[in-house]
Amino acid sequence: DAKTTQPPSMDCAEGRAANLPCNHSTISGNEYVYWYRQIHSQGPQYIIHGLKNNETNEMASLIITEDRKSSTLILPHATLRDTAVYYCIVRVPNTDKLIFGTGTRLQVFP
Amino acid sequence: DAGVTQSPTHLIKTRGQQVTLRCSPKSGHDTVSWYQQALGQGPQFIFQYYEEEERQRGNFPDRFSGHQFPNYSSELNVNALLLGDSALYLCASSGPGLALDEQYFGPGTRLTVT
Repeated sequence: DAKTTQPPSMDCAEGRAANLPCNHSTISGNEYVYWYRQIHSQGPQYIIHGLKNNETNEMASLIITEDRKSSTLILPHATLRDTAVYYCIVRVPNTDKLIFGTGTRLQVFP
Repeated sequence: DAGVTQSPTHLIKTRGQQVTLRCSPKSGHDTVSWYQQALGQGPQFIFQYYEEEERQRGNFPDRFSGHQFPNYSSELNVNALLLGDSALYLCASSGPGLALDEQYFGPGTRLTVT
């Protein structure tokens, strides 16, 4: 699976947009970008995934560059409850296995 | 919908002992995966069960074994516990079948080996 690179930590003010970057320069053509987050003492939670088009759901938006070598997860109006570790993962769909890195620790402050 | 449940929530064992952790998948899911998460690290894939068989396995020794029951629930067994086995053990379910986009994780079992 392709390796991803994320900043170890980020801060964001409550109510502002949180933009979490991810580099995946060796991504293959059939690999999707997935985002999960893990709030302290809980299991990881699926957020969103995409192949090459931008995606949006009730939780977040995913922007993937045209060359697919990087992506950005956007939380449009961050709240204190969004404080968590965010993991960017690339994988082939239906392979089930998720390979987690160390993620980005997002701290939302009042 | 109860989601993914795991038991016990916490467990303390002594080096050399054996442990069994349990997982009940989310309703409608038939595939169960297990992950180990050491402190400060991301979860690491152990193995996956589907149709009561181990379908994929990560880089873990044979001391780690599992089972899936006809009702899709699963057990993770670890023999000859080492101090390094201390971690949060996460169960994730998905399905039906092997076609999936999301995995739903349980809250985990915190294992401490002394």
